[in-house]
Amino acid sequence: AQSVTQLGSHVSVSEGALVLLRCNYSSSVPPYLFWYVQYPNQGLQLLLKYTTGATLVKGINGFEAEFKKSETSFHLTKPSAHMSDAAEYFCAVDSGTYKYIFGTGTRLKVLA
Amino acid sequence: DTGVSQNPRHKITKRGQNVTFRCDPISEHNRLYWYRQTLGQGPEFLTYFQNEAQLEKSRLLSDRFSAERPKGSFSTLEIQRTEQGDSAMYLCASSLPGTKNTEAFFGQGTRLTVV
Repeated sequence: AQSVTQLGSHVSVSEGALVLLRCNYSSSVPPYLFWYVQYPNQGLQLLLKYTTGATLVKGINGFEAEFKKSETSFHLTKPSAHMSDAAEYFCAVDSGTYKYIFGTGTRLKVLA
Repeated sequence: DTGVSQNPRHKITKRGQNVTFRCDPISEHNRLYWYRQTLGQGPEFLTYFQNEAQLEKSRLLSDRFSAERPKGSFSTLEIQRTEQGDSAMYLCASSLPGTKNTEAFFGQGTRLTVV
């Protein structure tokens, strides 16, 4: 069975500081991995995805994530936080079964 | 491409009433999914359509829930005899077929409040 663990339900960073949101997954087959962002009362917007190939994936708004098979991780990073990055972030895994398994989310707060 | 559209955006209903939500996927997407998201949680899979065929239902989808996708276009999710525990955001998503195109595009959701 597939699962996703997001460490830290709340993360606070100062504006301009590094953003690091952690995601570990469990999958019996090579996974497809996703990061989505959700603003209040909105749906989910795809930030980036890993399917195959290069393990460092770049997404929108300056975010990137690295797939590390040995660590079963797919952590999301951004070098410099912006106030507009404040939102909830979800990591998801799809093991080719067409349905996503989401983590419980990490709420990012950006401090001025 | 107008994205995935969901209506209504918000619904407040009294316990015991029936409600129906609609989802219009991106036009060329033949896969359609429904998820439920409760406060403080990630979305949970409810059901999946490929064209008009409903191929899988989660055990979260009790017999009070029914989803349809007539003609493989829009989809409806009906909840009968609503309970307070049904209060949640209901998200619809759609995607293209094929394992290399599994990116799902989500609508803005329908927030249901059962009072």
